[in-house]
Amino acid sequence: NAGVTQTPKFRVLKTGQSMTLLCAQDMNHEYMYWYRQDPGMGLRLIHYSVGEGTTAKGEVPDGYNVSRLKKQNFLLGLESAAPSQTSVYFCASSFRGLVPAPQYFGPGTRLLVL
Amino acid sequence: ILNVEQSPQSLHVQEGDSTNFTCSFPSSNFYALHWYRWETAKSPEALFVMTLNGDEKKKGRISATLNTKEGYSYLYIKGSQPEDSATYLCAFLPYNNAGNMLTFGGGTRLMVKP
Repeated sequence: NAGVTQTPKFRVLKTGQSMTLLCAQDMNHEYMYWYRQDPGMGLRLIHYSVGEGTTAKGEVPDGYNVSRLKKQNFLLGLESAAPSQTSVYFCASSFRGLVPAPQYFGPGTRLLVL
Repeated sequence: ILNVEQSPQSLHVQEGDSTNFTCSFPSSNFYALHWYRWETAKSPEALFVMTLNGDEKKKGRISATLNTKEGYSYLYIKGSQPEDSATYLCAFLPYNNAGNMLTFGGGTRLMVKP
């Protein structure tokens, strides 16, 4: 099992460009998440999904959109990148059950917006 | 916004020292408290998911305790080794939270000198 994978690993964008980050998991998890990690700020939730076809906003959703057309994939889109979106982006997934389950994280995508 | 705080922010210890650090979280509406270990250039990995007041979890030389009434958890590392160097994150999960959305603390960065 690959677990949680993210594509690409690193990207440089110019202000105003758009891009999509792909997250894939092969653990059949219902829940998926997108976080950003900035120095001194810890992990902050951007958007999340509780199942195929459903998404919801997290703590810092502005400037991002997401889609979950297939259970195993969760896409994060930046329509018009801004320097403030320079960050490391982590995707995570977790199982939905009666007992709270841990989240499994991908390797991260480092994004630099110039 | 939920307030999850970790202290200290960073910690330098010698190999063989035992150490501990704290996670503070809201004492009301508690459902679960997660601990993650995050090595540099890797992604966070789950250590423990704790749900019961007074719970104690152990994994090798690492253990954690939980006090939900006063809103804190301690993580202990016995006989620290250089490979324990990492950032340790705690994350709070409130009750009735759709999607198991976690609020992360800022982390405690542990550096173990050989």
